[in-house]
Amino acid sequence: EVQLVESGGGLVQPGRSMKLSCAASGFTFNNYDMAWVCQAPKKDLEWVATISYDGSSTYYRDSVKGRFTISRDNAKSTLYLQMDSLRSEDTATYYCARVNYGAYRGVMDAWGQGASVTVSS
Amino acid sequence: DIQMTQSPSFLSASVGDRVTLSCKASQNINKYLAWYQQKLGEAPKLLIYNANSLQTGIPSRFSGSGSGTDFTLTISSLQPEDVATYFCLQHNSWWTFGGGTKLELK
Repeated sequence: EVQLVESGGGLVQPGRSMKLSCAASGFTFNNYDMAWVCQAPKKDLEWVATISYDGSSTYYRDSVKGRFTISRDNAKSTLYLQMDSLRSEDTATYYCARVNYGAYRGVMDAWGQGASVTVSS
Repeated sequence: DIQMTQSPSFLSASVGDRVTLSCKASQNINKYLAWYQQKLGEAPKLLIYNANSLQTGIPSRFSGSGSGTDFTLTISSLQPEDVATYFCLQHNSWWTFGGGTKLELK
């Protein structure tokens, strides 16, 4: 069974940093691109960042470029999101998701339950 | 950026009803539209991808249709376990999500 389990969320002050982790199991982690998606309170889901299967390519939405870093450790089957210079508008639940290409053509086909991040003083 | 608009935002229906949810794209996304179900406190579950392909293990009462800018998710006979929020995702150009439809039992 495919499982994605996020950890590392919590309360953080504006301007500080936080690192989220996503432990993957039940599939060959290094065969898949991975992504982070967030949902702020009462807002739509938003794609945050994607990393290629081997970590060689990364992509970010404009609002987090230069502040967030997506990375992965394929030996540990773990995805990360380093969030620096956090702002109140970064308050959200952050989900990690598997990106499935081929016949699925880039669909996020498996998701974690999410990690809550609150940026507040 | 591609915008995705779902309607209605809330829907109340009875067990056994045929339920239709809509998702509209601000520009042509071909057939690259997915539907998800999310229950409170759970991870989103993929139901449909490429507009009309049923994900493995999903009951056949769920179906998707559409192409271009207009898409529909249909539940042919609503079951109590279908109470959830449903959202769409365009995967034609990067990824953009719809705002969701919250489905409740009448």
